[in-house]
Amino acid sequence: GAGVSQSPSNKVTEKGKDVELRCDPISGHTALYWYRQSLGQGLEFLIYFQGNSAPDKSGLPSDRFSAERTGGSVSTLTIQRTQQEDSAVYLCASSLAGGDSRVHGYTFGSGTRLTVV
Amino acid sequence: AQTVTQSQPEMSVQEAETVTLSCTYDTSENNYYLFWYKQPPSRQMILVIRQEAYKQQNATENRFSVNFQKAAKSFSLKISDSQLGDTAMYFCAFMKRSGNTPLVFGKGTRLSVIA
Repeated sequence: GAGVSQSPSNKVTEKGKDVELRCDPISGHTALYWYRQSLGQGLEFLIYFQGNSAPDKSGLPSDRFSAERTGGSVSTLTIQRTQQEDSAVYLCASSLAGGDSRVHGYTFGSGTRLTVV
Repeated sequence: AQTVTQSQPEMSVQEAETVTLSCTYDTSENNYYLFWYKQPPSRQMILVIRQEAYKQQNATENRFSVNFQKAAKSFSLKISDSQLGDTAMYFCAFMKRSGNTPLVFGKGTRLSVIA
C-alpha cells in the first residue's frame, strides 16, 4: 500500500482480555518495527522483524506480549491478559533493509490507541 | 546501550519566530545517524531531518536546521519562521551505522506555536 496501515485505530478492552493489533507495512519493506508510546514517555522499542531472520524481541516488556509476521508482510502484536499499564499508543513502522533505513528513516503508521479499563 | 535525552518536555513560540529544541545522546559509537521526527495530533510520525555523524556540515531542510556538536553529543533542532502547522510533538532519535539495531527515541518535546 501507499503507507503503513494499522488497525484498529482505537481499542478499548477490559482488564484481563486478550487483544490483537494489526500492522500492514509498505509493500517491499523488509523491516517492520513495533513501538509503544505511553503518556509522557518516548517511543519504547518492542520488537523488530527483518526479512526471514529471527525477530529481535529484546524490547518486549513481558511474556504477555508477542508478535508475528506472516509471509514477510502483515504483522500482529498480541497482548494477553491485558493490564491497565498496557494502555498506550502502539506504533508500527516499516523500512527498507539495512543502509536504506539509515538514509530514509522509518515510515510510521498512525498507531492504535489501546485503553484497558 | 544508546540513550537519547530531550530536556524540554514543553515549549511554545510565537508564530514567525524561531525556536530551538534540544537533544543530547550517549553512545560509544563513532558512526551513527541522528533524526528528528514530528508527531502531529494525527499520531503519524513524520521524518523532519536527519544527520550523518561523519558529516561535519549541519543538515538543513527548508525552515528546519540542526546544530550537530559531535564532541558534546548534542543535536538540536532549529525551526525558523514558525508556523501554526509546526505545533506537534518532536522526537529526537539515534541509529547506529552498523548492524541492524532499531531507532532509539527520546521522550519528546511538545511544541506549541501561538498565533
